Amino acid sequence: NAGVTQTPKFRVLKTGQSMTLLCAQDMNHEYMYWYRQDPGMGLRLIHYSVGEGTTAKGEVPDGYNVSRLKKQNFLLGLESAAPSQTSVYFCASSTTGRGTEAFFGQGTRLTVV
Amino acid sequence: RKEVEQDPGPFNVPEGATVAFNCTYSNSASQSFFWYRQDCRKEPKLLMSVYSSGNEDGRFTAQLNRASQYISLLIRDSKLSDSATYLCVVRSGGSYIPTFGRGTSLIVHP
Repeated sequence: NAGVTQTPKFRVLKTGQSMTLLCAQDMNHEYMYWYRQDPGMGLRLIHYSVGEGTTAKGEVPDGYNVSRLKKQNFLLGLESAAPSQTSVYFCASSTTGRGTEAFFGQGTRLTVV
Repeated sequence: RKEVEQDPGPFNVPEGATVAFNCTYSNSASQSFFWYRQDCRKEPKLLMSVYSSGNEDGRFTAQLNRASQYISLLIRDSKLSDSATYLCVVRSGGSYIPTFGRGTSLIVHP
């Protein structure tokens, strides 16, 4: 089973460039999430989706947009990258049950120079 | 105040030691609780869920104290391979979005 797959795994951007991170899950999960992880800050929620066609803001949404056109895919976009967006980005998915775990992708290491 | 708080450590212990981590949460309506493990430069993975009655999985014991709003993780007979960051996770509210603590670093040395 592939589980949760993130593309790409590494990327270097110049300030002002745009890019899209792709997250794909094959577990038929309703919920999907994008987090960023910075040293000493833990995992912070950027945006999330509770189903196909729905998205919502998390704790740190500024500078990011998302789309969930298909249930299995959750895209994270950076329209104009800034050095403050240098981070490790993790996508995760889960079912709707409150006691169920979230499964994570392997992460995307993004550097904005 | 952050919703989920953990002591970042690091906890530096010898092999065979017993070590305990605590995590406090601020939302009294929190419904589900977990401990995740994250190895260096890897994704977080579920270590164990935390049930109201407490639960054990081999050398690992998790407990929940709803009155004081904290959860704990006890690791007995520490192994070198237990070295990692341990993340406390709480799911609250109607949408049950996982909220993560900043993690506690454990280093087990020979």
